[in-house]
Amino acid sequence: AQSVTQLGSHVSVSEGALVLLRCNYSSSVPPYLFWYVQYPNQGLQLLLKYTSAATLVKGINGFEAEFKKSETSFHLTKPSAHMSDAAEYFCAVTSGNTPLVFGKGTRLSVIA
Amino acid sequence: EPEVTQTPSHQVTQMGQEVILRCVPISNHLYFYWYRQILGQKVEFLVSFYNNEISEKSEIFDDQFSVERPDGSNFTLKIRSTKLEDSAMYFCASSVSRPYNSPLHFGNGTRLTVT
Repeated sequence: AQSVTQLGSHVSVSEGALVLLRCNYSSSVPPYLFWYVQYPNQGLQLLLKYTSAATLVKGINGFEAEFKKSETSFHLTKPSAHMSDAAEYFCAVTSGNTPLVFGKGTRLSVIA
Repeated sequence: EPEVTQTPSHQVTQMGQEVILRCVPISNHLYFYWYRQILGQKVEFLVSFYNNEISEKSEIFDDQFSVERPDGSNFTLKIRSTKLEDSAMYFCASSVSRPYNSPLHFGNGTRLTVT
């Protein structure tokens, strides 16, 4: 069975600062990993996904994530936060044959 | 860009009542899903649906839940006799293909409040 742990239910950064949202996964088989973003009153939107092609994955809106097997991590980063990045971010994992398992989410606040 | 639409955005119902949550998936998608998120908790898988039948369901999806694709466009989730603990945000999603590593496209959700 797969699982995901997102460290920090709420992260607050200043505009222009580095964004780091942490995700650790547990999987007995090679995982497929995703980051989704949810803006207020909207559905979940795919930011990026890891499917074993490259360990550093680039997504939309300047976000990227690095798959580190030794650390079982898939942290999401963005070099410079923008006010429009304020949202809820969800990490998710699947083996490819099982439904997506989501983390609890991390709410990102960006301070002007 | 095509999107998944869900109605209503907010549904309030009394305990014991039946509710139907509606979704219109993206037109060329073949796989449909329901997820839910209880306030402050994880987004949880409920059910997947393909070729007019359930392909997978979770332990949450018990006999009080059912899904249906009544026509070529709608995909519905019915809760027969709602309980207080059914209060949650329900998300519909669709994808072009399986396996589950295909990106899911989510709707904006229906917030269900059971009083």
